Amino acid sequence: GENVEQHPSTLSVQEGDSAVIKCTYSDSASNYFPWYKQELGKGPQLIIDIRSNVGEKKDQRIAVTLNKTAKHFSLHITETQPEDSAVYFCAASMMGDMRFGAGTRLTVKP
Amino acid sequence: DADVTQTPRNRITKTGKRIMLECSQTKGHDRMYWYRQDPGLGLRLIYYSFDVKDINKGEISDGYSVSRQAQAKFSLSLESAIPNQTALYFCATSDPGQNEQFFGPGTRLTVL
Repeated sequence: GENVEQHPSTLSVQEGDSAVIKCTYSDSASNYFPWYKQELGKGPQLIIDIRSNVGEKKDQRIAVTLNKTAKHFSLHITETQPEDSAVYFCAASMMGDMRFGAGTRLTVKP
Repeated sequence: DADVTQTPRNRITKTGKRIMLECSQTKGHDRMYWYRQDPGLGLRLIYYSFDVKDINKGEISDGYSVSRQAQAKFSLSLESAIPNQTALYFCATSDPGQNEQFFGPGTRLTVL
């Protein structure tokens, strides 16, 4: 089955800096790659996603890139703010069976 | 997401007890999922259902069972709870036409 690896497990940045989180997946049949943000005491919420027929997608300060050949995708957050502090999960999915990475705890220091 | 609710939010139980976690949704989605979350392991899929007649095992189904009573309700049962089932459990829903999954607020289960 699909295996998703996520790095780093923790990331600390200064407010205003950029943050990058990387994921790799194993199953070339996976065709949907979402990123979820989980705040303390809450369930994960989708922040951005990308499908396998697209190489890059951007939404304001957040962008995701996908390299199908290398089977890796990355989340980029620019101009980080303290409210970006949370745990971020990547995932890879095909036909509804979604496999998640282990998560990255991002801390943005004021 | 307020459209996906889970009960109870917290539960402490003893080894060997039967436990049921319930999930309800008002989003009108056909697909529902149960995940468990453990520190350092992310979310792992336990079971999923694409409609009321459909039940599928996920990555870690051993020790769990589910019931899809209606489109809006999906229950997870632990027939005989054990300590390593202590975890945070999330229910999620999705629409067949969309890949995005909407998560409930979670149930924190502790098995002593």
